[in-house]
Amino acid sequence: GENVEQHPSTLSVQEGDSAVIKCTYSDSASNYFPWYKQELGKGPQLIIDIRSNVGEKKDQRIAVTLNKTAKHFSLHITETQPEDSAVYFCAARRNYGQNFVFGPGTRLSVLP
Amino acid sequence: GAVVSQHPSRVICKSGTSVKIECRSLDFQATTMFWYRQFPKKSLMLMATSNEGSKATYEQGVEKDKFLINHASLTLSTLTVTSAHPEDSSFYICSASFDSGNTIYFGEGSWLTVV
Repeated sequence: GENVEQHPSTLSVQEGDSAVIKCTYSDSASNYFPWYKQELGKGPQLIIDIRSNVGEKKDQRIAVTLNKTAKHFSLHITETQPEDSAVYFCAARRNYGQNFVFGPGTRLSVLP
Repeated sequence: GAVVSQHPSRVICKSGTSVKIECRSLDFQATTMFWYRQFPKKSLMLMATSNEGSKATYEQGVEKDKFLINHASLTLSTLTVTSAHPEDSSFYICSASFDSGNTIYFGEGSWLTVV
């Protein structure tokens, strides 16, 4: 089955700097890769996603890149702000309707 | 759009009692809903998948008689923790999908404390 690894587990950056979180997956048939942001005591919120037919997607300060050959995808946050501090989860899904496999999460702290 | 509401956000119950958590899709019809459990500083653990009008499919190791899931309508699924024990204390999260799980939207989560 699919296995998703995520690094780093914790990340501290200064406000204004960039943050990069990387996930690797094992199933080459996975074709959908969302990223979720979870603030303390709340449910995860979808922030960006990418499908396997695209190499990069950007939404304001957030971008996701996908390398299908290497089976990894990364979340890039530029000009970080304290409100970006949260736990970020990546996920992978193989086929339409199949369950998501989540990474273990990255705790991002943006220091003012 | 795609708002999922969970209630209650926090609940404390006594050992041996049952507690119900509701998950509602507020602005779309959820053909599929998912229930997760999350331990502190851990990732989401899928407990079960429910499709409207049919029985839930439980993940391996999840006791279906303890965690009763009902998805009676396209906007509501409930998780009932029966005969709760302190080890059932956890953060429970639901997610809902209008496209059979292709895209999922999470609720805010419910903290359960069993004393």
